[in-house]
Amino acid sequence: QQQVKQSPQSLIVQKGGISIINCAYENTAFDYFPWYQQFPGKGPALLIAIRPDVSEKKEGRFTISFNKSAKQFSLHIMDSQPGDSATYFCAASGPGANNLFFGTGTRLTVIP
Amino acid sequence: DAGITQSPRHKVTETGTPVTLRCHQTENHRYMYWYRQDPGHGLRLIHYSYGVKDTDKGEVSDGYSVSRSKTEDFLLTLESATSSQTSVYFCAISGGPQREAFFGQGTRLTVV
Repeated sequence: QQQVKQSPQSLIVQKGGISIINCAYENTAFDYFPWYQQFPGKGPALLIAIRPDVSEKKEGRFTISFNKSAKQFSLHIMDSQPGDSATYFCAASGPGANNLFFGTGTRLTVIP
Repeated sequence: DAGITQSPRHKVTETGTPVTLRCHQTENHRYMYWYRQDPGHGLRLIHYSYGVKDTDKGEVSDGYSVSRSKTEDFLLTLESATSSQTSVYFCAISGGPQREAFFGQGTRLTVV
């Protein structure tokens, strides 16, 4: 059973546009929600993370929006750039869990 | 980059042969993980370790075994490789499941 469901599978955005990736989770005990970015041939790297005590976290052009009642969180990339083209993974974890549960990934392509 | 090294980076092996992948860290992190990455499936946890000689299964552990005799080394063994185990394997390290996970560069394994 997929603990974290991610959509869309792929996304094409024009340069300067907004990229939005969505994730949903089932386990209400989850309280740590990171996003990872992966470039071809590389391992994933932490991009930004949020805990449920806040509804939004912003770091530069990247924003996580968190909706605890809906059990959903999303990544927004403002002013998307070709250099943002990568695969993005959402993940979740919580007390009692020994690992992160990852979504299936979204391949983002930003066209000039 | 976090001090994490995977070896080998690429390997081609024949069906039925044993294969061992190595993950070495210099960060003294307690947790170490082995994931496999396949198109459409994202990152799936194979096994993880929460201390020396303390390991547990992930969601896709069948056909794999692990060992951790030292803090810095986590070995993944395919007892008898099958074509379904052709994949990219990532090792990750973390101070805890709700802390940043650092990934290695990956090992591309092809079973022919």
